[in-house]
Amino acid sequence: DAGVIQSPRHEVTEMGQEVTLRCKPISGHDYLFWYRQTMMRGLELLIYFNNNVPIDDSGMPEDRFSAKMPNASFSTLKIQPSEPRDSAVYFCASSLKGSKQYFGPGTRLTVT
Amino acid sequence: GNSVTQMEGPVTLSEEAFLTINCTYTATGYPSLFWYVQYPGEGLQLLLKATKADDKGSNKGFEATYRKETTSFHLEKGSVQVSDSAVYFCALSESDSYGKLTFGQGTILTVHP
Repeated sequence: DAGVIQSPRHEVTEMGQEVTLRCKPISGHDYLFWYRQTMMRGLELLIYFNNNVPIDDSGMPEDRFSAKMPNASFSTLKIQPSEPRDSAVYFCASSLKGSKQYFGPGTRLTVT
Repeated sequence: GNSVTQMEGPVTLSEEAFLTINCTYTATGYPSLFWYVQYPGEGLQLLLKATKADDKGSNKGFEATYRKETTSFHLEKGSVQVSDSAVYFCALSESDSYGKLTFGQGTILTVHP
């Protein structure tokens, strides 16, 4: 079992650039979650999907953030344009029928 | 809305010391409660959970009891090891939220030999 896979593991970009984070959930899982972790705000849920459909995106900070799940094995979180305050670790997690969540290793994003 | 409050950290202990990390919650219904652990450079892992009042979750020597009367879910371990050094997160999920988790701020634990 490969677990939840995220890429890239580290991303450094300049302010104003577009950033795309990727996630491959565990095969067979029907829920996918995107979280952001910062020192100031802790761990926040941004959005989650069930069967590829966004269910709750109330945690998405603003219109610069968007997330998609085109199929059961792939999701993206896009930031356009990026800002320094978006610097954080972004986690993807997946679960089966809303039970135990399995987290990926995270993507550390730095926006300069 | 739901919220989780953890004791301020960081916590520094010597090996074999007793550990308590306090966690209290606010929720409108009857949530499930969790402790997650994050080792350096890794994602979060579920450590233990309890789904109803008076349940005790346990794993790897850690325990936590769901106390509805005090809305608490304190994490304890009788004898910590250096390998327990990590960040610990308390979290809750409403029973009908399909796993949507609300996390506390996290508590950094460092255990010295």
